[in-house]
Amino acid sequence: NAGVMQNPRHLVRRRGQEARLRCSPMKGHSHVYWYRQLPEEGLKFMVYLQKENIIDESGMPKERFSAEFPKEGPSILRIQQVVRGDSAAYFCASSPLHTQETQYFGPGTRLLVL
Amino acid sequence: DAKTTQPNSMESNEEEPVHLPCNHSTISGTDYIHWYRQLPSQGPEYVIHGLTSNVNNRMASLAIAEDRKSSTLILHRATLRDAAVYYCILQNSGNTPLVFGKGTRLSVIA
Repeated sequence: NAGVMQNPRHLVRRRGQEARLRCSPMKGHSHVYWYRQLPEEGLKFMVYLQKENIIDESGMPKERFSAEFPKEGPSILRIQQVVRGDSAAYFCASSPLHTQETQYFGPGTRLLVL
Repeated sequence: DAKTTQPNSMESNEEEPVHLPCNHSTISGTDYIHWYRQLPSQGPEYVIHGLTSNVNNRMASLAIAEDRKSSTLILHRATLRDAAVYYCILQNSGNTPLVFGKGTRLSVIA
């Protein structure tokens, strides 16, 4: 039973480019969360999605960031026109529909903006 | 979500028990107490959770005070692989985002 998968594990972008981060939840999980961890800081919630719906995006920056979780395929976190301050580890977590909501985290994508 | 308070860091000798405290004096009656840990360069990992009664699993034990204003994560025999940042998190209802504080950085000395 594969865990949460994220790819790429490491991503290098130049300022102004786009970054696409992918997250495949555990089998049977329909809830996906994205968190960001800036260097030497704790994890901060960004967005919570169910299939084809954004449930809570209160932690998402208003500009340049978007997320989706289509009916088929992985969840995508997209960052347009990246800036150096976007350099961070981005973690995805998934949880099943009907439990007391343990979240299972992926290994993260480490984004470096040059 | 209610706030939790944890020591910034703790140290333990290998193969000794470790007691990681967490204060949550403003906990509500429906808040569950969750513990996650994050090993270096990895994503967070669920450790244990409980509501009122003490809980045990293969990784750890969770002791919850009778008034629920504090809890303690107990690692019965620390190993070098237990060196991580441990987060105590309150979660009120299902499928809500986790609110991570700074956690406790546990160092294990051989």
